[in-house]
Amino acid sequence: GQQVMQIPQYQHVQEGEDFTTYCNSSTTLSNIQWYKQRPGGHPVFLIQLVKSGEVKKQKRLTFQFGEAKKNSSLHITATQTTDVGTYFCAGTKRSQGNLIFGKGTKLSVKP
Amino acid sequence: GAVVSQHPSRVICKSGTSVKIECRSLDFQATTMFWYRQFPKQSLMLMATSNEGSKATYEQGVEKDKFLINHASLTLSTLTVTSAHPEDSSFYICSARELKRQETQYFGPGTRLLVL
Repeated sequence: GQQVMQIPQYQHVQEGEDFTTYCNSSTTLSNIQWYKQRPGGHPVFLIQLVKSGEVKKQKRLTFQFGEAKKNSSLHITATQTTDVGTYFCAGTKRSQGNLIFGKGTKLSVKP
Repeated sequence: GAVVSQHPSRVICKSGTSVKIECRSLDFQATTMFWYRQFPKQSLMLMATSNEGSKATYEQGVEKDKFLINHASLTLSTLTVTSAHPEDSSFYICSARELKRQETQYFGPGTRLLVL
């Protein structure tokens, strides 16, 4: 079945360092979404990417969708302690299909 | 923005009892709601898709007779864990897809279930 792989599983950074998490699908995706889940919290929608090669920015966060629509990345510039949490990518094969979540990347930031 | 609530937030029950979890979309109509399960340090696993006015669609390996889902209105879906056992202890999260914005799911705060 369709799988969404996400790496790394864990990332420990010093505050101020950059962070990147990568998401890869075994099949072409209709769209990909990114979520952030704080410890003890629930996933919060960050962004959706739909177009091939799309790049979107939210302040220090940069999201990319690959040309083949099979991979995506989330890059955080100059991490802050407030960035701590688990970042999940989730893709759909059809435009209104179910989300298939990656396993997430848990980010910890040392002050 | 769109808000989804879940009730209760935490529940502790004895083995063999049934637990009902409610998921409500507070300020929008949700034709589709999703129920996920998340084990500690794991990703979200889709259990079932709930469509208003019709039977839920369950993912492979999810027992429909154990996890009863009802989506009676455009703002409410319920998940009932019947005859709960300790292995059912988990974090259950619902999400709702807005009628007018089919590409986005809004997640509820989750329900932590502990079965003793």
